[in-house]
Order: sequence, then structure tokens, then C-alpha cells
Amino acid sequence: DIQMTQSPSTLSASVGDRVTITCRASQSISSWLVWYQQKPGKAPKLLIYKASNLESGVPSRFSGSGSGTEFTLTISSLQPDDFATYYCQQYNSYSPWTFGQGTKVEIK
Amino acid sequence: EVQLVESGGDLVQPGGSLRLSCAASGFTFSNYWMSWVRQAPGKGLEWVANIKQDGSEKYYVDSVKGRFTISRDNAKNSLYLQMNSLRAEDTAVYYCARGAYRGGVVVGVDYWGQGTLVTVSS
Repeated sequence: DIQMTQSPSTLSASVGDRVTITCRASQSISSWLVWYQQKPGKAPKLLIYKASNLESGVPSRFSGSGSGTEFTLTISSLQPDDFATYYCQQYNSYSPWTFGQGTKVEIK
Repeated sequence: EVQLVESGGDLVQPGGSLRLSCAASGFTFSNYWMSWVRQAPGKGLEWVANIKQDGSEKYYVDSVKGRFTISRDNAKNSLYLQMNSLRAEDTAVYYCARGAYRGGVVVGVDYWGQGTLVTVSS
């Protein structure tokens, strides 16, 4: 199975900071990667699909890049609403899908 | 408005069984792949199973193969997860989620239910 490794596990940042989260796949997944945002007690929200495509309604300060085995999620200017946990997920085929372990973005 | 409403979560003893349901509305259910994703308390997300629109293809994470069965009833706009031989490590919030179609390809999931809690404990 394809393993997904996110780094860092926790990130402390301030409002206005540029934030980058990395996700690495154990083998090439082309661009078959999504990013989700999850807030406590809530279901995840789709942010980015196919590595770099912004989901409709998601602020443009979010961007994704990468292909193959290394991917990044960038928040260009962190806003108060962005403090949450972020997950990458590969969908190289219909099975098995795997998530990264998550990156919690905390207030510094 | 797309809505996914899970039900059926409960406290069950190890070795027991449970059937989760997900009622879908606000979209043409029979046109979408559907998924179950779970999240253990304080832990990350884990994909559990996928099912094709007509139910002809089903996929599972290794840890539930042979114990869990995903199914759907398109006439009732409903998704199910039959869970047998439950273990303590199956304790989690179980989310029903809709496959996200972008450019005609499934790219993860785009709508989630609120989740239903399954607790496996004696």
C-alpha cells in the first residue's frame, strides 16, 4: 500500500505568516492527491484536488503543488479561520486510499 | 443542498456486530461513488471502504477486509456499512462521504456527513 507522510506534525504560526506543509508518498502517485482541512468536531473540507486545483469556494491564499512523490500545501497569509488540522490523501486508484497523519496548525 | 446523515453508531462489545446507515439527499445518489472514512478519538483520518455507483465494485482497507461490508440501495438513496467481529481498534467516528468528480474523474471526496460514533468495549 502507498504510505503518505506529512511534515511537520504540528506547526505554530502567527496571523499573516506564510505556511507550508509537505506530504510525501512512498511511491509515485502522479498528481492524484487532495488536501483537506478539518476543524475540531467537524467533518473535513476539501481544499485542493489533483495536487494543485483549488476547490470552488476555497480562498485563493491556499495553493497546492507537486507531483510524483512530493507535494506541498501553502497558505500565503495565515488567517484566524485557518487554524485547523490539514490532511493529504492519495487516490492513485479506487483502492486503497490513504491519508497522511495530519498537520495541526496552531496559534504561535 | 447536499446532505449526508449517518446513523447506527452505538456501544458494542468486542466480537459484536453493527450496521451503519447513511441517508443521502440533495443530489442524484446513484451517480456517485460513495465512501466510508473513520477517525479514532484524537487520531487522524482512515479511509475504510469505497463502492461504485451500481455496487459492482467495492474496496476495503486491509484491516477491515472480511469483517466489514459496504453496500448501497440506490432506490432508497442510502449507503450502509455492515461491521462484524468488531474490535476495540474499530472504535471511531464513522463518516459517510461522497466521491468528488472533477473533470469526470473521482478525486477524493467532497461532501461528508456529521459522523456517527462506534465504540467497541466490554
